[in-house]
Amino acid sequence: DAKTTQPPSMDCAEGRAANLPCNHSTISGNEYVYWYRQIHSQGPQYIIHGLKNNETNEMASLIITEDRKSSTLILPHATLRDTAVYYCIVGPGANNLFFGTGTRLTVIP
Amino acid sequence: GAVVSQHPSRVICKSGTSVKIECRSLDFQATTMFWYRQFPKQSLMLMATSNEGSKATYEQGVEKDKFLINHASLTLSTLTVTSAHPEDSSFYICSASSLRGWDEQFFGPGTRLTVL
Repeated sequence: DAKTTQPPSMDCAEGRAANLPCNHSTISGNEYVYWYRQIHSQGPQYIIHGLKNNETNEMASLIITEDRKSSTLILPHATLRDTAVYYCIVGPGANNLFFGTGTRLTVIP
Repeated sequence: GAVVSQHPSRVICKSGTSVKIECRSLDFQATTMFWYRQFPKQSLMLMATSNEGSKATYEQGVEKDKFLINHASLTLSTLTVTSAHPEDSSFYICSASSLRGWDEQFFGPGTRLTVL
């Protein structure tokens, strides 16, 4: 059963910020929000995760709403190499990751 | 980040043969390893979870006698597809996790299996 809802696809101009939304209205108090991405024919790559505070690392920023029912992954300056399927996953830990259909992000030159 | 390798990266076999795929954590000890399967244009589907030294836990609908998983050490897990058939052709991905305060799952590059 799907615990997250993501748009199936998005386009983003190269150099611009890519904002990928995710709805997780049934998230439990002990569940984290994880983001992974999968470039074609490769294994998924961890991007970032958070519980309730906003998080930032060298790859992206994660903005979680105060009610935790939705979040946004921000790639600040998208490049062509960021073209991938992005998965938003909620769960109590990394031992419980169930992938949905994700958002296919296409970065356009 | 931690590195997980898979071998082989690509394999083609005849129907009825068995294929073994190896998954190794190269620079950390993996307390838990996972095996996923991904059909074209679909998402990853978890097949099984294994902890070192114990039997794997299979997801519903995954035949444990067909997909044999061995997790003999903290750095190696193997998936054997027994008596493979064309419908088993898929992208098989392993991952590993290690508790470090907060946990994270590290994925291998995947193995493309084609059964003729």
